[in-house]
Amino acid sequence: GAGVSQSPSNKVTEKGKDVELRCDPISGHTALYWYRQSLGQGLEFLIYFQGNSAPDKSGLPSDRFSAERTGGSVSTLTIQRTQQEDSAVYLCASKLGGGIVDTQYFGPGTRLTVL
Amino acid sequence: RKEVEQDPGPFNVPEGATVAFNCTYSNSASQSFFWYRQDCRKEPKLLMSVYSSGNEDGRFTAQLNRASQYISLLIRDSKLSDSATYLCVVNRSVRGTSYGKLTFGQGTILTVHP
Repeated sequence: GAGVSQSPSNKVTEKGKDVELRCDPISGHTALYWYRQSLGQGLEFLIYFQGNSAPDKSGLPSDRFSAERTGGSVSTLTIQRTQQEDSAVYLCASKLGGGIVDTQYFGPGTRLTVL
Repeated sequence: RKEVEQDPGPFNVPEGATVAFNCTYSNSASQSFFWYRQDCRKEPKLLMSVYSSGNEDGRFTAQLNRASQYISLLIRDSKLSDSATYLCVVNRSVRGTSYGKLTFGQGTILTVHP
């Protein structure tokens, strides 16, 4: 079946511009996560959605970052006034439920480059 | 101190070798443990869960020592296709909630050469 999809796969933008990254989770998965992976670094948690609400936003690095999820499905991560340090691969993952047992499945990521 | 720590490597081994990766975690409330594999410029994929009794999947064996807060992954008879970054992952419930939060180690790079 279809896995997690993300778009765009690559995004090059100029410093100061806003960008929107999209995630389509696996159908029926209620939990959705956003992570960031910088070059040579591990995965950094950004935000967690259960349904349309975000009980944990603790990983968002600044108020330039925001995310929403609608219809318990698609999620959008928005970065305003992008900076060069925002350059990274942004990964989305979904899992069936909100508990600790289910496996997270990752999308292919969006590679963001801020010039 | 990072919540999950791994030796970043790189590990360069010949085909057929046995290689072991170690990982330590700092939060004793951690409840479940995994190894993920990440190929170059690809997303992480679950390799295997790790149980206290130890578990094996073909050439891969994972061990968990809760007392020492230590996780290991052993790969026997390495193949060229095993070359990847191996991520140690710890899952715990966030206090006051029922949801799980994964914390990833930085990963250990493995290169298997002919």
